[in-house]
Amino acid sequence: DQQVKQNSPSLSVQEGRISILNCDYTNSMFDYFLWYKKYPAEGPTFLISISSIKDKNEDGRFTVFLNKSAKHLSLHIVPSQPGDSAVYFCAASDGAGNMLTFGGGTRLMVKP
Amino acid sequence: DAEITQSPRHKITETGRQVTLACHQTWNHNNMFWYRQDLGHGLRLIHYSYGVQDTNKGEVSDGYSVSRSNTEDLPLTLESAASSQTSVYFCASSAGTSVFNRGTGELFFGEGSRLTVL
Repeated sequence: DQQVKQNSPSLSVQEGRISILNCDYTNSMFDYFLWYKKYPAEGPTFLISISSIKDKNEDGRFTVFLNKSAKHLSLHIVPSQPGDSAVYFCAASDGAGNMLTFGGGTRLMVKP
Repeated sequence: DAEITQSPRHKITETGRQVTLACHQTWNHNNMFWYRQDLGHGLRLIHYSYGVQDTNKGEVSDGYSVSRSNTEDLPLTLESAASSQTSVYFCASSAGTSVFNRGTGELFFGEGSRLTVL
């Protein structure tokens, strides 16, 4: 059973609009969450993270929101740019080690 | 610049053959990981290591093995390749000790090795 789920395999957004990528988790021991971006033929790269002691973290156009009671997090990209087109992975850790559990990924397409 | 490299980038092999995927990092990171990426499953952990001579099984370790004889390298071996092991394999590394490093948090990934088992 997948502990981290990204229920939308793909998302298409117009340039300049907001992109919202969602992630749900089931393990209540997860306390640190990360988003990775992956371009074709490249490895994933770290984008942004959030600890469970926070409910929001911003980095430029990227903001991650965490709702612990709902076991849900989301990544907002504002404004979306064509260069943001990639696969986005949500990941979670329970803090017991350095391992991350990944979701299945969401392919974002930003149309010019 | 420090980096993490994987080889080969593409490999086609036959069922039953032994295959080794190499991973080399120059960050001097203690922690190294092997993941496989499959459609619908995202990234799944195969094996990981927290330091020299340390290896551990991940979520999907059956049919795979690793060894850690130095800090820089974590080769992944498929003892007898199966068609179900056709996938893209990513090596990753991170700083910190065996305890999760909240200061960095992230993993640094290689560019991936695409393996096809016929």
